[in-house]
Amino acid sequence: QQQVKQSPQSLIVQKGGISIINCAYENTAFDYFPWYQQFPGKGPALLIAIRPDVSEKKEGRFTISFNKSAKQFSLHIMDSQPGDSATYFCAASLTGGGNKLTFGTGTQLKVEL
Amino acid sequence: EAGVTQSPTHLIKTRGQQATLRCSPISGHTSVYWYQQALGLGLQFLLWYDEGEERNRGNFPPRFSGRQFPNYSSELNVNALELEDSALYLCASSPYGQGRTEAFFGQGTRLTVV
Repeated sequence: QQQVKQSPQSLIVQKGGISIINCAYENTAFDYFPWYQQFPGKGPALLIAIRPDVSEKKEGRFTISFNKSAKQFSLHIMDSQPGDSATYFCAASLTGGGNKLTFGTGTQLKVEL
Repeated sequence: EAGVTQSPTHLIKTRGQQATLRCSPISGHTSVYWYQQALGLGLQFLLWYDEGEERNRGNFPPRFSGRQFPNYSSELNVNALELEDSALYLCASSPYGQGRTEAFFGQGTRLTVV
């Protein structure tokens, strides 16, 4: 009920390409869906987040697509750059649950020149 | 604005010992969360403190405990260390109760149990 499933586990994309990471959740009470970016040796940094009342949110090259009926959401990174190479985590939380985050297992993205 | 700070950066302990990890939240944030990031297992929720009280804990044994001080900083204690406790321990803070939901992470404490 509390799981968030993330795929793929790893992803290699050419520079300038589109990186797509997918997540699926089970708990329909989740109402906040952030994506975090983590570089080696660093803590995760909030990248972008969405609430289920919208189907898409875009910030620069990063877009979240949200499908409430399918209980799925995805991160699209447009014009992927080598500097985007990192591990990406999707997460979900209940606002009433104190912002405790349930994380996906992470996707290692490598953007090649 | 200073971010979430954690200390120490690295900690090496022997099996059976106790470890104490510290976290200072972003100024104005009252909630502190602890997560364990073990190799290959993603981030697992450990504990949530708000206003000095433990509000929720994850599926971890009681030897994982902590507290939050009046200045909202927090301590995570791990007793009777086991080899599988080796992981990156991450602290996050959030302005819970202010209508905002962002959680900001520190750089973590790498705990190695030998």
